[in-house]
Amino acid sequence: DAKTTQPTSMDCAEGRAANLPCNHSTISGNEYVYWYRQIHSQGPQYIIHGLKNNETNEMASLIITEDRKSSTLILPHATLRDTAVYYCIAYGYNFGNEKLTFGTGTRLTIIP
Amino acid sequence: EPEVTQTPSHQVTQMGQEVILRCVPISNHLYFYWYRQILGQKVEFLVSFYNNEISEKSEIFDDQFSVERPDGSNFTLKIRSTKLEDSAMYFCASYSGLGANVLTFGAGSRLTVL
Repeated sequence: DAKTTQPTSMDCAEGRAANLPCNHSTISGNEYVYWYRQIHSQGPQYIIHGLKNNETNEMASLIITEDRKSSTLILPHATLRDTAVYYCIAYGYNFGNEKLTFGTGTRLTIIP
Repeated sequence: EPEVTQTPSHQVTQMGQEVILRCVPISNHLYFYWYRQILGQKVEFLVSFYNNEISEKSEIFDDQFSVERPDGSNFTLKIRSTKLEDSAMYFCASYSGLGANVLTFGAGSRLTVL
């Protein structure tokens, strides 16, 4: 799976949009970009994923650049409950390689 | 919303003792996983399980570890002889096998080895 690079930490004011960047310059054509988050010591929680088109769901939006070398997760109206570690993962399914590999992620702190 | 449930939430054990951590994956899911997270460190993959056998395992998953799906609903992780360094949060996850590889994780079991 391609390596991803994320900032170690970010702050965002409550009610504002939180934009979390991720670089994945070596991503291959069959690899999706997945975003998960981990609130405190809970289990990771799926947020969103995409291949090349921008995606939106009830939690967030995912913007992937045309060359697919980077992406941005957008939480449109951040709340205090969005304080968490956010993981960007590039993953392409192969039989015998079905695991997601978590990096160190971005620690997002929402400030009141 | 369907959940992955894990028990116990916290277990304290003496070094050298056997521990079994239990998980009930989402009922129609086909792939099952164990991950662990040592305090302050990354979430690390241990093992994946599909069609009643291990499909992939990491270097961490040595002979001290085993997994089992004894009855079609539970998925267990056994550590035969615990070491101090096995102290961690252990997360179970499952995936339906359809579409994108979206894993649903449980809340975790905290293992403390004394």
